[in-house]
Amino acid sequence: GAVVSQHPSRVICKSGTSVKIECRSLDFQATTMFWYRQFPKKSLMLMATSNEGSKATYEQGVEKDKFLINHASLTLSTLTVTSAHPEDSSFYICSASGGRSNQPQHFGDGTRLSIL
Amino acid sequence: AQSVAQPEDQVNVAEGNPLTVKCTYSVSGNPYLFWYVQYPNRGLQFLLKYITGDNLVKGSYGFEAEFNKSQTSFHLKKPSALVSDSALYFCAVRPRFMNYGGSQGNLIFGKGTKLSVKP
Repeated sequence: GAVVSQHPSRVICKSGTSVKIECRSLDFQATTMFWYRQFPKKSLMLMATSNEGSKATYEQGVEKDKFLINHASLTLSTLTVTSAHPEDSSFYICSASGGRSNQPQHFGDGTRLSIL
Repeated sequence: AQSVAQPEDQVNVAEGNPLTVKCTYSVSGNPYLFWYVQYPNRGLQFLLKYITGDNLVKGSYGFEAEFNKSQTSFHLKKPSALVSDSALYFCAVRPRFMNYGGSQGNLIFGKGTKLSVKP
């Protein structure tokens, strides 16, 4: 089946640091990638949708200058949390799709971000 | 507003017994329906989907789901639960005929149901 690799799996860093998370589709071309944030015991909250070669579409309430998304190729999207603060600590999950709406999205294993 | 409801926060089942995790949706048209499972500190794994055809869909790890159009439901089932099935289960829906190109084509998730299977 389709595989999405997300790296790193865990990050612990100091407040003020910028953190980059990578999401790669390993065996298919991901025309669209999604970034989610998940709080403890909660469902996934969509942060943004990115299409290869164009600007990401951010959900209401998500700061685009805080969460920078780049989808430079059909196999790679990155999320950079700029000047991270403790309230940015969360579980971030990416997913990817080949573009057909009747196909499932394939999810990465998530990144646990802890800001001290 | 379009939504997906998973009415149970938690479902407790004894190993070997059948399990059902409920899902109903309020989405226009005939949407595509999906179930995902999430183990602790992991991403979501695809279990099964309903696109068209037979109302009973079979998926991974012995799970199946039954689509009921009149009740707009897509309940997840398994005839005999295993302790290893304990996880968080998400029902998700996507409106039909919407390709990706914006968040409108994204999945609409339920809040999740925690399944606990005891020995």
